[in-house]
Amino acid sequence: NAGVTQTPKFRVLKTGQSMTLLCAQDMNHEYMYWYRQDPGMGLRLIHYSVGEGTTAKGEVPDGYNVSRLKKQNFLLGLESAAPSQTSVYFCAIRDPASTDTQYFGPGTRLTVL
Amino acid sequence: RKEVEQDPGPFNVPEGATVAFNCTYSNSASQSFFWYRQDCRKEPKLLMSVYSSGNEDGRFTAQLNRASQYISLLIRDSKLSDSATYLCVVNGWDDKIIFGKGTRLHILP
Repeated sequence: NAGVTQTPKFRVLKTGQSMTLLCAQDMNHEYMYWYRQDPGMGLRLIHYSVGEGTTAKGEVPDGYNVSRLKKQNFLLGLESAAPSQTSVYFCAIRDPASTDTQYFGPGTRLTVL
Repeated sequence: RKEVEQDPGPFNVPEGATVAFNCTYSNSASQSFFWYRQDCRKEPKLLMSVYSSGNEDGRFTAQLNRASQYISLLIRDSKLSDSATYLCVVNGWDDKIIFGKGTRLHILP
C-alpha cells in the first residue's frame, strides 16, 4: 500500500465535532473510494470518485461529505460527528483500465465519544 | 439473495491441511473477481484475481464458475501465516464493487 496514505491514523472526537480525513495517492489512479468497516458488517462504501472533480454516493453516505479537488487527494468530512460513526475508515484506489484491482490505505481508526 | 455471500466461518484447520472457501454472487453481469486477504486491524490486500480459466499462485488456486455464479479459493499445505480473513470481491460493469463479509480462517499448530 505504499501508493496510498491516510491521515490521521487515529483520532478521538467528541459528539458534534467535525474533522476531515485525507487520502492521498501517488499512483495516478482515476478512481478513489472511502469505506467504513465495523465488526460483523464488512466493508461498506461511503462515497467514491471516478475522477478529479467528481463524487458519488455509496451505500452509507449520510453524515459524510467528500471532495476530490485534485486527482491525487480524496477528502472525507464529518461535519457533526456521532458515536455511530466510530469505525475504521479505509481509502482505496483503482484503475479499471489496467488490473482493475483496488489498493487500500492503512486505515484511520476513529472513535466518537 | 445477498449480492455477495460468504460463509463467515471460522474455519479451524490444522497446519498442512487443505482448505477451500466458496463465494456466491447474484449479478450475472459482474465483470471482475478477486480474493483479498485481511489481517486483524489491517487493510485488505489483494491475494489474487480470479479468471474464468482458473488460476494458481503457489499454494493458492482460484476458480470462477459463471454458470453457477460462484468463485472459490483453495489453499494447499496451509501455514500458520495463512490465518486471516478472506474477502471475496466482485466488480460490476457499473463501477460498483461489492465485498463479501469475509471468511475467517484459523490455522492450528
